[in-house]
Amino acid sequence: EVQLVESGGGLVQPGGSLRLSCAASGFTFNNYYMTWVRQAPGKGLEWVANIHQDGSEKYYVDSLRGRFTISRDNAKNSLYLQMSSLRAEDTAVYYCVRELPGRIFDYWGQGTLVTVSS
Amino acid sequence: QSGLTQPASVSGSPGQSITISCTGSSSDIGGYKYVCWYQQHPGKAPKLLIYEVSNRPSGVPNRFSGSKSGNTASLTISGLQAEDEAHYYCSSYTNTFTLVVFGAGTKLTVL
Repeated sequence: EVQLVESGGGLVQPGGSLRLSCAASGFTFNNYYMTWVRQAPGKGLEWVANIHQDGSEKYYVDSLRGRFTISRDNAKNSLYLQMSSLRAEDTAVYYCVRELPGRIFDYWGQGTLVTVSS
Repeated sequence: QSGLTQPASVSGSPGQSITISCTGSSSDIGGYKYVCWYQQHPGKAPKLLIYEVSNRPSGVPNRFSGSKSGNTASLTISGLQAEDEAHYYCSSYTNTFTLVVFGAGTKLTVL
């Protein structure tokens, strides 16, 4: 059974940093692109970033490029999102997602809530 | 960047059929077969419902169907059931730097 379990969310002050983690199991992790998608409270879904199977290619939504960094450790079956210079508008549930060719998101974690507030 | 356009809400009675539209452009829906639909119940993660316009993952009932015409994709739910009450989001591959674009979501109410 495919499982994606996020961790690392919490309350952080504006300008602060946070690192999200996602532990994957139930599939061959290094065979898949992985993605982060976020959802602000009461709002829709927003694609954040994705990463190639071997970590060689990374893509980000324009508005976040330079503040967020996606990475992975295939030996640990783990995906990460390093977030810095956080703003109130980054408050959201962040989902770890397995990606198929064509930007098809077939498995989602339960999400981790990041709250940016003073 | 602008997202795909969905109606904010739709409703139907049990047993009826409803259709949710999702309108984009030639840079996304109109140009590619990679249109997806996701179902999200309150407090839960989204679930893939339809991929590549009209394909259902294993386990998704055939009451859910997808189609596309030009720059508009559609999700049809037939034989509405109470458990179908949820938010539905469309997405599409796009040839912009965003790589993928979502609709704002449609809240389905089963009366």
